[in-house]
Amino acid sequence: SQKIEQNSEALNIQEGKTATLTCNYTNYSPAYLQWYRQDPGRGPVFLLLIRENEKEKRKERLKVTFDTTLKQSLFHITASQPADSATYLCALHNMNTGFQKLVFGTGTRLLVSP
Amino acid sequence: SQTIHQWPATLVQPVGSPLSLECTVEGTSNPNLYWYRQAAGRGLQLLFYSVGIGQISSEVPQNLSASRPQDRQFILSSKKLLLSDSGFYLCAWWDYNEQFFGPGTRLTVL
Repeated sequence: SQKIEQNSEALNIQEGKTATLTCNYTNYSPAYLQWYRQDPGRGPVFLLLIRENEKEKRKERLKVTFDTTLKQSLFHITASQPADSATYLCALHNMNTGFQKLVFGTGTRLLVSP
Repeated sequence: SQTIHQWPATLVQPVGSPLSLECTVEGTSNPNLYWYRQAAGRGLQLLFYSVGIGQISSEVPQNLSASRPQDRQFILSSKKLLLSDSGFYLCAWWDYNEQFFGPGTRLTVL
């Protein structure tokens, strides 16, 4: 069966450290993968997109890697700040349908302590 | 720029009552629109999507229905709510490989 897995346990780190979040998937062949940030009581906000032919993508303090062999994406936040505390969702573009559709993971909550 | 409105922001309804959640989009025409539900501790579940007026596709069988009476209006409904319908309902639209979400409606069914 198809699965997208993110660590359900919250990740606690100290301010200034690098946070690394993991997204693993099975039985998908996504053309691209996306990461979203969701704050409590709000809708997710798009952060980054990485395509299947890209190994790495960066945006300011954010870095995403995509390994289609391992079926895994890593999301890094360098020099983390308390304001980075939120839930981070990965999403796969599902190519099995003829319609633009994303399949979301359950998200990992990040807590950055000052 | 594009904006998504959802209302109400919060809703508390008894079991068996009807439901109507509304979503409107500004700043775009003929958008692909989506309804998601996020239950406590669970991921975003796609409920419905629509490519145009009157065109609705359902992702999972459930107690809900959707309608698109106008190009930029998407409505989620139920005739009789169940306890399991509680959750955070999000409307979204698609633009160039990115999903834009509305502010959401928190529904509690008692």
